[in-house]
Amino acid sequence: DTEVTQTPKHLVMGMTNKKSLKCEQHMGHRAMYWYKQKAKKPPELMFVYSYEKLSINESVPSRFSPECPNSSLLNLHLHALQPEDSALYLCASSHKAGDSDTQYFGPGTRLTVL
Amino acid sequence: AQKVTQAQTEISVVEKEDVTLDCVYETRDTTYYLFWYKQPPSGELVFLIRRNSFDEQNEISGRYSWNFQKSTSSFNFTITASQVVDSAVYFCALSEPMNSGYSTLTFGKGTMLLVSP
Repeated sequence: DTEVTQTPKHLVMGMTNKKSLKCEQHMGHRAMYWYKQKAKKPPELMFVYSYEKLSINESVPSRFSPECPNSSLLNLHLHALQPEDSALYLCASSHKAGDSDTQYFGPGTRLTVL
Repeated sequence: AQKVTQAQTEISVVEKEDVTLDCVYETRDTTYYLFWYKQPPSGELVFLIRRNSFDEQNEISGRYSWNFQKSTSSFNFTITASQVVDSAVYFCALSEPMNSGYSTLTFGKGTMLLVSP
């Protein structure tokens, strides 16, 4: 089973709200990723957690705050977002196999910031 | 730096036609990995295939086939007898060998495939 789940599927929030996106996998994967995808563009990497430690932060504004409570869960806390942050947010996970891996993606959360 | 080029922005075909999606990559690594993902309108990126740089064998999976040619730095994807359900955006991606337990993908810009009945 290669399932990554994400909640909620859709989220509408105002610029002063605080919300969280959740991602979960039960495949025993030890790396988890957050991507942002704007319409008609490829996904852009935001954060990588490896063995529950933040390994990559691609200069993401501090209004996005990732959290990895355990090896199966990944959260993205949102605060004071801007309308340009409206996008599809994708979570992925992967597991080392040899010297490579394959990232498996969740269905995404479509975020609209008003 | 790594780069993936998908020159075809959008392709429209009629059901049952064969279609090939092109992918050209650039990397200085001698060991690397190539991927294809499918993204239907629902949004989820679905993994289709991974190929490492030392394995140039073509692969076939049902109506899907992949042609990897190191000499031309290409990893093309062919759908035989296309169906409406094949309508999606297809991304080609490249990664280098992992370090620290994770990988980073360089994506192409994607090719939107529209299959009409």
